[in-house]
Amino acid sequence: DSGVTQTPKHLITATGQRVTLRCSPRSGDLSVYWYQQSLDQGLQFLIHYYNGEERAKGNILERFSAQQFPDLHSELNLSSLELGDSALYFCASSGSRGGEGDFGPGTRLTVL
Amino acid sequence: ILNVEQSPQSLHVQEGDSTNFTCSFPSSNFYALHWYRWETAKSPEALFVMTLNGDEKKKGRISATLNTKEGYSYLYIKGSQPEDSATYLCAPYFGNEKLTFGTGTRLTIIP
Repeated sequence: DSGVTQTPKHLITATGQRVTLRCSPRSGDLSVYWYQQSLDQGLQFLIHYYNGEERAKGNILERFSAQQFPDLHSELNLSSLELGDSALYFCASSGSRGGEGDFGPGTRLTVL
Repeated sequence: ILNVEQSPQSLHVQEGDSTNFTCSFPSSNFYALHWYRWETAKSPEALFVMTLNGDEKKKGRISATLNTKEGYSYLYIKGSQPEDSATYLCAPYFGNEKLTFGTGTRLTIIP
C-alpha cells in the first residue's frame, strides 16, 4: 500500500458528461502527478502539481483540468467526455519535484 | 517529444532462466532513470532509480545498469520466477518535473 488513495475506483459514464477524479497523496507529500493509460498505450503524463502550484504539463487535452487544494489533495476534471477518454487514470505522489512518485490504485473510467 | 524505447515489447521466459531487456532514451539533459514494475490489476511499483553513468543497482534477483553517454539501461532478471511476470517500465527524467515513460516490456514467465 503506497498510502496514495484515489476515488472512485471505477466510473462508468456517457459521452458528453463531466467527471471528477480525486487523489489524496501520501501524508507529507507535496507533489501530485496525474497519468492516463489508454488501451495499448503507455503511461502518458498529464500534469504535475506541487504544493498547490501547477509545475509541468503534458499532452493534457483542453477538456481536462486539474487542481491541487490547500490540503494537498488533487482533482482531475474531465469534461465533454468522448469514447476515447476511456482509460485508467493514475495519480502518483512524491515529496519532491523530481518526477518520480508512488502510484495510487487508479481510477478506471469507461465512457459509453 | 522525447523518444523512450523499450525492447522487446514482450517476452516469454521459462521459469529458472535469466533474461534482460533494454530501455533507450535521449542522452542530453539527462538527470535520472527510473525502473518500475507493473503487475496486472495493480499500480506501477518503483524498482530502481539511477543517476550516474555506470550505475548498477540490485534488488534480489533483479539488477539494472545505466549508460548515460549512449542513453540506455538494461534490466536483468536472474533465475526467473512466476512472480516476476509483469510489465517493466523505464522512465527517464530530464529535469522538467515529469517522467516520460516507455511503453514497457511485458514479461511472462512460463512455469
